[in-house]
Amino acid sequence: EAGVAQSPRYKIIEKRQSVAFWCNPISGHATLYWYQQILGQGPKLLIQFQNNGVVDDSQLPKDRFSAERLKGVDSTLKIQPAKLEDSAVYLCASSPRPNTEAFFGQGTRLTVV
Amino acid sequence: AQKITQTQPGMFVQEKEAVTLDCTYDTSDPSYGLFWYKQPSSGEMIFLIYQGSYDQQNATEGRYSLNFQKARKSANLVISASQLGDSAMYFCAMREGPQETSGSRLTFGEGTQLTVNP
Repeated sequence: EAGVAQSPRYKIIEKRQSVAFWCNPISGHATLYWYQQILGQGPKLLIQFQNNGVVDDSQLPKDRFSAERLKGVDSTLKIQPAKLEDSAVYLCASSPRPNTEAFFGQGTRLTVV
Repeated sequence: AQKITQTQPGMFVQEKEAVTLDCTYDTSDPSYGLFWYKQPSSGEMIFLIYQGSYDQQNATEGRYSLNFQKARKSANLVISASQLGDSAMYFCAMREGPQETSGSRLTFGEGTQLTVNP
């Protein structure tokens, strides 16, 4: 069974630029999560989808971050414009049902300079 | 207040010995779930073990077991017979609310860096 796929693995951008990350969850997993993990900290949930509907986006900085999950499969997370404090690893995860164990991708390491 | 507290930033253990990684949690919800994840240097989070608040027995998965003490609100991870490949960051996480309820956020602790020495 293929795992959660994320791309790119690494990205370096200048502040105020835009960036987008892509995630392909495990086939058949209805729940998809985006987490932000700042160096030295635990992951923090940004947004949770159930199929293509948003379940929780209370910690998503909506003035600059956006996410979508078209057709309930792949998802993209966008930052526009980026700030220095957005430097982090962005982890995508999926689970077959809400609140069961989540399976994570390898993440995208973003550096904003 | 921190919902998940991992008080050990770093732990060292000799190969083949057992090690306990501490985790305490804070919730007033009677229904919750506790998870442990391993994050090697490659960055991927690997699910290890799960304990539900109503589970009567401590969870076990191979060399991993969860020492669940509900009254003390602790959910320590025990790794038996440590291997060099166990060297990684370990995160404790909690879901509040019934498992059937969507939108229940998974909150992570700050993690413990485990180093297994040969």
